[in-house]
Amino acid sequence: AQKVTQAQTEISVVEKEDVTLDCVYETRDTTYYLFWYKQPPSGELVFLIRRNSFDEQNEISGRYSWNFQKSTSSFNFTITASQVVDSAVYFCALSERSGNTGKLIFGQGTTLQVKP
Amino acid sequence: DADVTQTPRNRITKTGKRIMLECSQTKGHDRMYWYRQDPGLGLRLIYYSFDVKDINKGEISDGYSVSRQAQAKFSLSLESAIPNQTALYFCATSALPPGTSTDTQYFGPGTRLTVL
Repeated sequence: AQKVTQAQTEISVVEKEDVTLDCVYETRDTTYYLFWYKQPPSGELVFLIRRNSFDEQNEISGRYSWNFQKSTSSFNFTITASQVVDSAVYFCALSERSGNTGKLIFGQGTTLQVKP
Repeated sequence: DADVTQTPRNRITKTGKRIMLECSQTKGHDRMYWYRQDPGLGLRLIYYSFDVKDINKGEISDGYSVSRQAQAKFSLSLESAIPNQTALYFCATSALPPGTSTDTQYFGPGTRLTVL
């Protein structure tokens, strides 16, 4: 069965620290897609990244980077030099190709608090 | 203007009342989704629709119904609201890019529903 686990419920860091949010997934599909979304205090969900299962290259976007490792079924998200505006709930999600339902399986979310 | 809008943004209702949450999008996407978010559970899929004539149940459809009035409009109804339907409800839209098998979903701002 598909499952996404974000074991870190809450993380608190001081501004400028680096922080890594963990995401571990389970799927039987060989083709699947992984996503990260950000939910700031205002409540909306903001799309951050999408990664295909056949592309294990790490990705960097400004202060954000993602480490995808199929061997450990993990898709971790690192924020470098964190800022107060990074405070939010972050969700990792999985979408399988089979069935083509478009259904996203979400993790429980990790609340990140960045203190000034 | 926002690409995906939800009305109302907040609603308080009483047990047994019928309530409708509405979602509109200007992204031109053919796929639309309804999710609910509960603390510690991430988001769970209620219903999804790939076009006006296509409606599918998600993992938690009991107690809910939907209507796809047009490509741009997808409504969620609670026929007889109960307190455990108190949650944050999100609408999402997507389009399947040619040559791919999975879309990226873009979310509306959410509707906070409280059932007393």
